[in-house]
Amino acid sequence: AQSVTQLGSHVSVSEGALVLLRCNYSSSVPPYLFWYVQYPNQGLQLLLKYTSAATLVKGINGFEAEFKKSETSFHLTKPSAHMSDAAEYFCAVSENSGGYQKVTFGTGTKLQVIP
Amino acid sequence: DAGVTQSPTHLIKTRGQQVTLRCSPKSGHDTVSWYQQALGQGPQFIFQYYEEEERQRGNFPDRFSGHQFPNYSSELNVNALLLGDSALYLCASSSTGVMVAFFGQGTRLTVV
Repeated sequence: AQSVTQLGSHVSVSEGALVLLRCNYSSSVPPYLFWYVQYPNQGLQLLLKYTSAATLVKGINGFEAEFKKSETSFHLTKPSAHMSDAAEYFCAVSENSGGYQKVTFGTGTKLQVIP
Repeated sequence: DAGVTQSPTHLIKTRGQQVTLRCSPKSGHDTVSWYQQALGQGPQFIFQYYEEEERQRGNFPDRFSGHQFPNYSSELNVNALLLGDSALYLCASSSTGVMVAFFGQGTRLTVV
């Protein structure tokens, strides 16, 4: 069974500082991994995805994530935080289950950006 | 392209009532999935529809049912509402064989 663990339900960074949001996954087969962002009272917007190509994945808004199979991790980073990055971030894993894709989300990390 | 659209955006219902939520998928998408997101939680998978049939289901009771129409739009029905059903209900659409799902803005359901 697949699962996702996001370490830290709340993360605070100063504007301009490095953003690091942690995600570890468990999957019995090679996974597809995603990061989504959710702004207040809105749906989920895809930031980036890993689908077994390059291990370093670049997404929108300057975010990137690196797939590390040995560590079963897919941490999200951004070199310099912007105020507009304040939101909740969800890591998700998708694997083939009986011929169909099943997506499991983590519990989310709320990012606060301090001016 | 309108993306994934959901209606209504907000809804208030009384315990024991029934509710229907609607979703129109992104143009070109044939698969619709529904998720429940309780306050402070990640989205939980309810079920997925493809070719007008439910093909996957999460750990939700039979009070949760759905339908997909020939134009790929979908409905989520919840019977005998409980206070614990209060949540943001998200619809996601995708194309068969494509790993990426696009989400709507959600419907905020409050059960009182």
